[in-house]
Amino acid sequence: GQNIDQPTEMTATEGAIVQINCTYQTSGFNGLFWYQQHAGEAPTFLSYNVLDGLEEKGRFSSFLSRSKGYSYLLLKELQMKDSASYLCAVSDSNYQLIWGAGTKLIIKP
Amino acid sequence: DADVTQTPRNRITKTGKRIMLECSQTKGHDRMYWYRQDPGLGLRLIYYSFDVKDINKGEISDGYSVSRQAQAKFSLSLESAIPNQTALYFCAASVSRSNQPQHFGDGTRLSIL
Repeated sequence: GQNIDQPTEMTATEGAIVQINCTYQTSGFNGLFWYQQHAGEAPTFLSYNVLDGLEEKGRFSSFLSRSKGYSYLLLKELQMKDSASYLCAVSDSNYQLIWGAGTKLIIKP
Repeated sequence: DADVTQTPRNRITKTGKRIMLECSQTKGHDRMYWYRQDPGLGLRLIYYSFDVKDINKGEISDGYSVSRQAQAKFSLSLESAIPNQTALYFCAASVSRSNQPQHFGDGTRLSIL
């Protein structure tokens, strides 16, 4: 079967760094997406990785290891507005997205 | 962005009623999707469409039907609503056969009493 695993909830302090992990087992792989979703709002696209390595985009970076079926999202200089859920999704062999349940990130002052 | 619009934003209705949720997008994207989201379960795919004449069942299609009236419009129907269909519903659109991201509407919060 296809499976995406993420921690359910994480807590971090304003100004700090947090790493949100995602492991996956899917039928085929055509890339991995990270989305941010504030409570009650639509998911919004953050990053996409299809090759191994780190992709940096401002305060957010995303890493992929295809051999390990593993990705992480790194958030630096945390701000209160970063409190949200972070969704990991893998594009399978049919370019369909398989979604993780999301990680709720709580930022404390 | 795909500028995806969903109507209504909120709906409360009774068991057994027929409900239609509407979705439109302004960027001419080929693919459109309907998801539901329940607490702790993430996004689950109900139906998806690659173009006007292509409709596919997703993970949880039972109890739902869809219509792709035009490239820009994709509606979701609940023929006879039941309480366990209470959820947050999202429509999304994307470019076909590429790894461009899906772009989401603001969601419809549906409550079935």
